[in-house]
Amino acid sequence: AQSVTQPDIHITVSEGASLELRCNYSYGATPYLFWYVQSPGQGLQLLLKYFSGDTLVQGIKGFEAEFKRSQSSFNLRKPSVHWSDAAEYFCAVGPPRNYGNKLVFGAGTILRVKS
Amino acid sequence: EAGVTQFPSHSVIEKGQTVTLRCDPISGHDNLYWYRRVMGKEIKFLLHFVKESKQDESGMPNNRFLAERTGGTYSTLKVQPAELEDSGVYFCASSQLSIRGGLISYEQYFGPGTRLTVT
Repeated sequence: AQSVTQPDIHITVSEGASLELRCNYSYGATPYLFWYVQSPGQGLQLLLKYFSGDTLVQGIKGFEAEFKRSQSSFNLRKPSVHWSDAAEYFCAVGPPRNYGNKLVFGAGTILRVKS
Repeated sequence: EAGVTQFPSHSVIEKGQTVTLRCDPISGHDNLYWYRRVMGKEIKFLLHFVKESKQDESGMPNNRFLAERTGGTYSTLKVQPAELEDSGVYFCASSQLSIRGGLISYEQYFGPGTRLTVT
């Protein structure tokens, strides 16, 4: 069965500190990988995506993620967190190429930023 | 370019009533999806339209849920009759496949969601 695990339900970091949010997946083949963010009162915004090629992908707002096939992981990182990054982050996987393309989401990680 | 819009943003109804949620995808996007997040749980897929056709409705919980996509444009999701367990946030997303260098890719763009509360 396809699944996504985000082991941390809540994470608190200090403003200016680095951040890493973990994501592991279980999928039959190498899926397409996504990170979304939901700020309070907002919809889901796509932060970055991985389809193929370079395993380190850059996204918006200074975020990056690294795909590690051997670990079935796609962790999200940011070198210096800003207070405006406080939000809920979702990792998602989707089928490669065109077969269906429903996304399977993790349960989300709530990021709190302390000043 | 306008994003995905959803209406209403909130809806509070009583058990047994009917509610209709609407989604307007990004113009030109053939693919439209509905997802739902019940409180404290994952966002889960409900169904997928390609233009006006249902491609995959494997996530629809039961026959109290009816989705339509008239003319391949906007979509509605009707819940009739609503039950307490239907409470949650209903998200709509749209995408368009693209092919670059032989790679098929897609990105799903989400609307703000409709928060449904059934009392």
